[in-house]
Amino acid sequence: AQSVTQPDIHITVSEGASLELRCNYSYGATPYLFWYVQSPGQGLQLLLKYFSGDTLVQGIKGFEAEFKRSQSSFNLRKPSVHWSDAAEYFCAVGASNAGNMLTFGGGTRLMVKP
Amino acid sequence: NAGVTQTPKFQVLKTGQSMTLQCAQDMNHEYMSWYRQDPGMGLRLIHYSVGAGITDQGEVPNGYNVSRSTTEDFPLRLLSAAPSQTSVYFCASSAPGRVSGYTFGSGTRLTVV
Repeated sequence: AQSVTQPDIHITVSEGASLELRCNYSYGATPYLFWYVQSPGQGLQLLLKYFSGDTLVQGIKGFEAEFKRSQSSFNLRKPSVHWSDAAEYFCAVGASNAGNMLTFGGGTRLMVKP
Repeated sequence: NAGVTQTPKFQVLKTGQSMTLQCAQDMNHEYMSWYRQDPGMGLRLIHYSVGAGITDQGEVPNGYNVSRSTTEDFPLRLLSAAPSQTSVYFCASSAPGRVSGYTFGSGTRLTVV
């Protein structure tokens, strides 16, 4: 069965600092990987996704993520954080069968200090 | 705007009551899913559907029922509400084929007292 671990429940960074959110997955085949962001009281918005090819993927809002098969990781990065990035971030792995079923990590809540 | 619409946004139920959470999408997506979100646990799959007339169970299906009579609609029924079903529920839809990522609704916050 597939699983996703986000080791950091909370992260606080200063505005303008760089950010890296960690994600580790377990999946038997080639994974389809996603990062979603959830602002308070809102639904989930897709930031970026990885299927195959280039292991560094670019997303919206200046985010990027790097797929590392050897480490079973898909970490999310941003070079300079803005106050509006404060939100909860979810990593997910998708199955290409079973209705594209997504398995989510527990989430990382990002706080941004002014 | 195109997307996934969930109703109601908020609901309070008494233990033992039943209700239906509504979900509709206008993107002609074949795949639809229901997730529940609880603090520290991310989102967990309740039920999903790969097309009209086809549904299957996810990770936490007990106490919930679904049906899919049309491509657009995928209602979630709580048969006899329990306090453990207090959660935020999200409906999502996706195109089939390669995993394109789900589009999520804005959620229904349900409290069972």
